[in-house]
Amino acid sequence: GESVGLHLPTLSVQEGDNSIINCAYSNSASDYFIWYKQESGKGPQFIIDIRSNMDKRQGQRVTVLLNKTVKHLSLQIAATQPGDSAVYFCAENGGSQGNLIFGKGTKLSVKP
Amino acid sequence: NAGVMQNPRHLVRRRGQEARLRCSPMKGHSHVYWYRQLPEEGLKFMVYLQKENIIDESGMPKERFSAEFPKEGPSILRIQQVVRGDSAAYFCASSPTGYEKLFFGSGTQLSVL
Repeated sequence: GESVGLHLPTLSVQEGDNSIINCAYSNSASDYFIWYKQESGKGPQFIIDIRSNMDKRQGQRVTVLLNKTVKHLSLQIAATQPGDSAVYFCAENGGSQGNLIFGKGTKLSVKP
Repeated sequence: NAGVMQNPRHLVRRRGQEARLRCSPMKGHSHVYWYRQLPEEGLKFMVYLQKENIIDESGMPKERFSAEFPKEGPSILRIQQVVRGDSAAYFCASSPTGYEKLFFGSGTQLSVL
């Protein structure tokens, strides 16, 4: 079965609010995690990644938090915009080289 | 620097025909991955290749599916004798190092009639 899963399949937020998308993983060997954004009809687009020796990493309007104790990953999007509407996937490497294991995704809808 | 290029974008085949999906990785990338995605699902790993070598094919069905990444030219995912269950979006990704961040193409949508 999947080792990466998401708590919420859909998330609806108001434009300008912050969004938090959660992800659970079960493979203790995973030492690299990554978030992708996928818009309809397109391929996944890299957002941000984090190694297991870190617990937080920030990008432009996005922050990824890693809690290894409970095997939990989250993506925070600040000041969510309509262009952020998409499906968001977390993925882990399962400790192996290159083979990313994806979760099922969370659909983010931003209301204007 | 062009991204990962996949063609065709859409491919329609009848049951029993062969499907060939092509992927040109980003310039300088020698690691290629193929993933399959069903509607409302995540991406399922199929195969990982380096130039002329299959590194990991643990996600690929044993029959009818094959992949190659020749010394020259694009990577090819080949599906023989397609069935309706093969209908899906097939994504190719490439990486410069074979570890960590993968760059994805726009995918090929395969429809089997």
